[in-house]
Amino acid sequence: SQQGEEDPQALSIQEGENATMNCSYKTSINNLQWYRQNSGRGLVHLILIRSNEREKHSGRLRVTLDTSKKSSSLLITASRAADTASYFCATDAPSSASKIIFGSGTRLSIRP
Amino acid sequence: NAGVTQTPKFQVLKTGQSMTLQCAQDMNHNSMYWYRQDPGMGLRLIYYSASEGTTDKGEVPNGYNVSRLNKREFSLRLESAAPSQTSVYFCASTPGARGAFYEQYFGPGTRLTVT
Repeated sequence: SQQGEEDPQALSIQEGENATMNCSYKTSINNLQWYRQNSGRGLVHLILIRSNEREKHSGRLRVTLDTSKKSSSLLITASRAADTASYFCATDAPSSASKIIFGSGTRLSIRP
Repeated sequence: NAGVTQTPKFQVLKTGQSMTLQCAQDMNHNSMYWYRQDPGMGLRLIYYSASEGTTDKGEVPNGYNVSRLNKREFSLRLESAAPSQTSVYFCASTPGARGAFYEQYFGPGTRLTVT
């Protein structure tokens, strides 16, 4: 069962443009995380945002969290070819903070 | 400091064969996880170990067993492989027992094909 679902499933933009991905979830959470996966590799953690935070920045990444709408967005500014990857959100599993559940991801392609 | 390591990187099995996937972390983390990722999908949790000596089922435990050998090592065993277990398997670890409160560190994955 999926807790978080990303939207869109795939996104293709020109290098230099901004990319926005969204994640919606179903039940209340403690934290929400975003991960990146380059083709054929393991996942790499990008940002963790807590339920009492509304926005967090890390370099060219900006994550927002709206707990009233049960949604989060990941914005990548001034995209680069190296940003081509799949991006996943992950949230607490319902009734358990021992594990997280991943969404199915957004595949981002940056065109040169 | 190697982080999370997994062996083997690739494996081909025939239906009914058994094998063990190995995972080790050198970060002194308490919790370890096994996921599978099917093409175009997110990760699904198979089993996890919140601390040394404990293991719990995740979303898709059927057909798998695990052993938390010590704090460093967490192995995943397929007793009788089936084609439906063809997937990429990832091991991950986190510092604390409440995994949702920490970033997860992932290994490079094991690509398993069952024919």
